[in-house]
Amino acid sequence: DQQVKQNSPSLSVQEGRISILNCDYTNSMFDYFLWYKKYPAEGPTFLISISSIKDKNEDGRFTVFLNKSAKHLSLHIVPSQPGDSAVYFCAASAQTGANNLFFGTGTRLTVIP
Amino acid sequence: NAGVMQNPRHLVRRRGQEARLRCSPMKGHSHVYWYRQLPEEGLKFMVYLQKENIIDESGMPKERFSAEFPKEGPSILRIQQVVRGDSAAYFCASSWTGARNQPQHFGDGTRLSIL
Repeated sequence: DQQVKQNSPSLSVQEGRISILNCDYTNSMFDYFLWYKKYPAEGPTFLISISSIKDKNEDGRFTVFLNKSAKHLSLHIVPSQPGDSAVYFCAASAQTGANNLFFGTGTRLTVIP
Repeated sequence: NAGVMQNPRHLVRRRGQEARLRCSPMKGHSHVYWYRQLPEEGLKFMVYLQKENIIDESGMPKERFSAEFPKEGPSILRIQQVVRGDSAAYFCASSWTGARNQPQHFGDGTRLSIL
């Protein structure tokens, strides 16, 4: 049962443009969300997070938006750079559980120079 | 990657053998998490440990899999009598506390192949 879903397996964007990666979740107990970036043969690297008490969090070129009513979050990268090409995973955790993360299946972002 | 050290990076075992995967958390981190990634899938939580304690093992298969995080030394994920379906990338993550606003930092994983 996939509780965190990333329905776009891949996305291609021109350098300098905005990349928008989407994530949906089904478990209403999730209240903390994270985005990780992963290069081949490496582990995921933490990018940015957001608590359910907020609807937006920004860190440099990365902004995460949370729509609780729609159970949807998105990661915006602007401007996109070739070094951003990687697989991006959305993850969530629930207040009632231990700190284990539920991951989506990932979106492969390719930024075209 | 992020100071979490996993070894070996690649491990090949024949069916029926035992696999031992090691994880040394980042310095100062006392919380360790193990995840498994099957091909074309996301990471799936397996187990969460603190020093000498298993906090949550709800993602661990009931048989053949065990994990420990002793007072001294790395955390170990052990898979006994491996089968082909155990082939996957196994990632370890650590955090300073178990608080959810402390992001988990991941190692580069161990790629387990079962012949």
